[in-house]
Parts: sequence; structure tokens; C-alpha cells
Amino acid sequence: ILNVEQSPQSLHVQEGDSTNFTCSFPSSNFYALHWYRWETAKSPEALFVMTLNGDEKKKGRISATLNTKEGYSYLYIKGSQPEDSATYLCALRTNAGKSTFGDGTTLTVKP
Amino acid sequence: DVKVTQSSRYLVKRTGEKVFLECVQDMDHENMFWYRQDPGLGLRLIYFSYDVKMKEKGDIPEGYSVSREKKERFSLILESASTNQTSMYLCASMSSTDTQYFGPGTRLTVL
Repeated sequence: ILNVEQSPQSLHVQEGDSTNFTCSFPSSNFYALHWYRWETAKSPEALFVMTLNGDEKKKGRISATLNTKEGYSYLYIKGSQPEDSATYLCALRTNAGKSTFGDGTTLTVKP
Repeated sequence: DVKVTQSSRYLVKRTGEKVFLECVQDMDHENMFWYRQDPGLGLRLIYFSYDVKMKEKGDIPEGYSVSREKKERFSLILESASTNQTSMYLCASMSSTDTQYFGPGTRLTVL
């Protein structure tokens, strides 16, 4: 079983703060790295798919970077809003075809 | 929009019962997955299927089996439910771009 680690486990910020969290993974057998957002009472939704070392993706105030050589990805949220409150999951897809998820970072943004 | 549906949102069963959890997707995706999610843990892969009648064990297949008789339907079976199978079960299907689309989840309680 691959070890995909996310840190921190939880984060509490004030509205307007910028924040970031980390996903670490073994760099061997890398195929793709996914970020998902999981809001309470909803299904996880895809944010980004990243495949190339040095990839940077952006969607509104949320962006992500990928370093496959050292085995990490960062997710950044600029100017956090209460609606950003959710659990953010990263998942490593290997050549074997399955994905291994991290335990997630739960973000709470206080108004 | 991709739609993934699961047969029940909430289910209560007794120890020893046979339990069927159904998942249907409407986007002709080949790959489908069953995960369970427990407090403090990320999504853990139980089984996945990459084609009709094809299945692969995930990280925690013990106590479960699956069935994929039609492309759109992927069923998870608990042959004899036990209390340690009380959990949230999530089904997902995967597009050609590697993105997973999740169902709403089934919260199963085994008494």
C-alpha cells in the first residue's frame, strides 16, 4: 500500500487569509496526482489532475503545484472564503491503475 | 454532467446479513471504484473494475466482493455483514482524463 501523506490534518483560518497545504507521495510509479474537494454532505469533486513535474494548475483562487522528483504537491488558496471550507484530498494514481488517497486536510474558514 | 448514483443514502443491517450496494453511472466510463471512508481516514479502495466482468482487489478487499455484469453498474457485496463494516461507502467512475466522479455515498450501519 502506497503512503500518501497530507499535512496538516486540519486548518482553521480567518476569511481573507491565504493558506496552503501539502501532499507527499513516493515518487516511484507516478502516473498522476489528483486534488479533490469534499464539502460536508456532498460528494468529492475534482479540482486538478496533474501529471508532469513542474505542473501548475489554477482555478479561481485555488492553485496547485507538483514536484514528482521529490514527491510532493502543494495546494494554495488565496484569500480564503467561508465557502472554501471543506476537506481537500489528494490521490496518487500509479501505473497499476488504482488511486491511493491521503487522509485529507480539513479547512475551516471563519467569517 | 456525469451522474453517479448509489442505491441508498442510509442503510441499517444486522450482523450476518448479506448486503448489496449498487452504483450506476451514466457516462459509459470503463473504470469504476468502491471506497470506504472512516473518521480520520481518507478514502480506502476496496475493489475496482476496468471493464465488464473484470475486477481487481484494492487495498482492503477482505469481507467484500463485487459484481460488474453491465458497464454502467458496479455492485459491492458484503457476504456476511459485520459491525466493523459500518462505514461510509463511496462509488466512483473514472473518465478518460483520469478524473473520478463520485456518487453521494451510502452510510451503512451494521448492528
